Amino acid sequence: EADIYQTPRYLVIGTGKKITLECSQTMGHDKMYWYQQDPGMELHLIHYSYGVNSTEKGDLSSESTVSRIRTEHFPLTLESARPSHTSQYLCASSAQQGATEKLFFGSGTQLSVL
Amino acid sequence: RKEVEQDPGPFNVPEGATVAFNCTYSNSASQSFFWYRQDCRKEPKLLMSVYSSGNEDGRFTAQLNRASQYISLLIRDSKLSDSATYLCVVNTPYSGAGSYQLTFGKGTKLSVIP
Repeated sequence: EADIYQTPRYLVIGTGKKITLECSQTMGHDKMYWYQQDPGMELHLIHYSYGVNSTEKGDLSSESTVSRIRTEHFPLTLESARPSHTSQYLCASSAQQGATEKLFFGSGTQLSVL
Repeated sequence: RKEVEQDPGPFNVPEGATVAFNCTYSNSASQSFFWYRQDCRKEPKLLMSVYSSGNEDGRFTAQLNRASQYISLLIRDSKLSDSATYLCVVNTPYSGAGSYQLTFGKGTKLSVIP
């Protein structure tokens, strides 16, 4: 089993609140990712990091921000939550072996903004 | 053309049936290929890697055709527990020398019916 953890598992919050979704992995992986997924829809990459102090935006534009101060920790922050941010947020990490890369996902955070 | 395309689905099959999923990718420089399984409201989990020579894991067989840029997943003797969405994932070159990024297909939903 992969050692990657997300908290909270579920979050219901009011519009305008600042929230931080936590993601931690104990595998020492350099690469970490945040995906956004609506029910029955495809995964969208919103942020990724290839190591400490490295963060990049993904394919899908997102109002969230991320930081990577420590290898094991990759939190995602929304400064002012809106109903349009309601979605499932999945964190993942991977170890690169040449051109082979396998992703390990956390259990996700289901965010509902009222 | 999308980088990774899959059969739209959904596939509704009776127990015991054999079902095949197809996936095509657009970048001929892609190096590695995977099938992930995602249960409803859960995180994706690696089902199997796809090797050039084809590979089998119990009832699951994956094949790769680099010339046609085509990947397949065959499930034999399908079980109720196989019901899930199956995601085709391709490691594609990204901007920057030697950089690769995992690209997910939209997924194909499988429902195995008693």
